[in-house]
Amino acid sequence: GAGVSQSPSNKVTEKGKDVELRCDPISGHTALYWYRQSLGQGLEFLIYFQGNSAPDKSGLPSDRFSAERTGGSVSTLTIQRTQQEDSAVYLCASSSNHDRLSNQPQHFGDGTRLSIL
Amino acid sequence: TQLLEQSPQFLSIQEGENLTVYCNSSSVFSSLQWYRQEPGEGPVLLVTVVTGGEVKKLKRLTFQFGDARKDSSLHITAAQPGDTGLYLCAGVLSGGYQKVTFGIGTKLQVIP
Repeated sequence: GAGVSQSPSNKVTEKGKDVELRCDPISGHTALYWYRQSLGQGLEFLIYFQGNSAPDKSGLPSDRFSAERTGGSVSTLTIQRTQQEDSAVYLCASSSNHDRLSNQPQHFGDGTRLSIL
Repeated sequence: TQLLEQSPQFLSIQEGENLTVYCNSSSVFSSLQWYRQEPGEGPVLLVTVVTGGEVKKLKRLTFQFGDARKDSSLHITAAQPGDTGLYLCAGVLSGGYQKVTFGIGTKLQVIP
């Protein structure tokens, strides 16, 4: 389909390992977001990419978290030296924002469920 | 502390009943969105409200944006089992770019 695609859908790894999560946004969408969803915590904003502008990284919880967006399309979220508290569903969304105050909806992928043992 | 407070957090009702979910904040939003999320899937946009006092209807769902653009409600009439899911409100702060702040969500279960 033409929706936002995330991979893997599930990831189980041992504490201390690094993980990479991938997001393929909808073609042509210039804005891309990463969120973390934990039980009882709602959606926690992590990072926002808009075109060629510098990303808003204000939501990243620690320096173990980083994200890239190559060529304005695919994005990867990397978590280094994973901890058990990193266990959550990581959601990616994209939207066709054309200006700062656009109210374009975000289209979400189905997320990656990350479990740290 | 959540910027957007949603209540109730959990709601279990019988099919056919009516319900209202609330989304409140002390901040003013340029717009507010409601999403529904089903298990194992990402949230899906239901509606965006932009104008203070605005009311939008989507079949049996009625969305209202407060006059001061600080709060919103979602009313479901004659709930159906297919309405079961997590309802999230999300606000865009005035003057900000598209950095959307989500509420914690209301988990709705409609029992047949």
